[in-house]
Amino acid sequence: QKEVEQNSGPLSVPEGAIASLNCTYSDRGSQSFFWYRQYSGKSPELIMSIYSNGDKEDGRFTAQLNKASQYVSLLIRDSQPSDSATYLCAVVRDMAKTSYDKVIFGPGTSLSVIP
Amino acid sequence: DTAVSQTPKYLVTQMGNDKSIKCEQNLGHDTMYWYKQDSKKFLKIMFSYNNKELIINETVPNRFSPKSPDKAHLNLHINSLELGDSAVYFCASSQDLDSGEQETQYFGPGTRLLVL
Repeated sequence: QKEVEQNSGPLSVPEGAIASLNCTYSDRGSQSFFWYRQYSGKSPELIMSIYSNGDKEDGRFTAQLNKASQYVSLLIRDSQPSDSATYLCAVVRDMAKTSYDKVIFGPGTSLSVIP
Repeated sequence: DTAVSQTPKYLVTQMGNDKSIKCEQNLGHDTMYWYKQDSKKFLKIMFSYNNKELIINETVPNRFSPKSPDKAHLNLHINSLELGDSAVYFCASSQDLDSGEQETQYFGPGTRLLVL
């Protein structure tokens, strides 16, 4: 089992619809979760971070975390063509025997918003 | 001002050559990283440094050698380049690497390496 998994897509949604992106992780001790957006040919940029169970909203974006089920999701409301990008889920895993954590990225989900 | 910068942006070279990529961050962060993103867009960590100390060294061929002269710089030297090294290499930094929001990654623009 891969440490962080995402549906590779591509996920296509019509403009104005809700896009739902999912991510599962294997390490039950993970504490920090991030969603990054990467446009083609560009570098990843942070959209949302979430640390506790439940929902976190920021504008059109809502991150949802369920640690018991080991999944984190990102909802994009009123999807726009400018949201078309690859969305990367990142999970921070506590490294045993060190005081440091390790960031592990999922393979990304490609989202296409159709006008 | 660019927060995380990398040079060069593009690098085309022959198999067997040695090349270096430089990275600098002006965010005052303590932790810097090198990631490799392959043609399938999978982003994989290679190295992580905290205050010039190597803390993460993934299963990377020893042809890859990072060097951090100070906490604002992390360079990557690659010896005897191979075709499979072709990828986009991203440098990133974070404030720290042991607590929540401080682990947010700030990425450089990437270096597109093509080995012929």
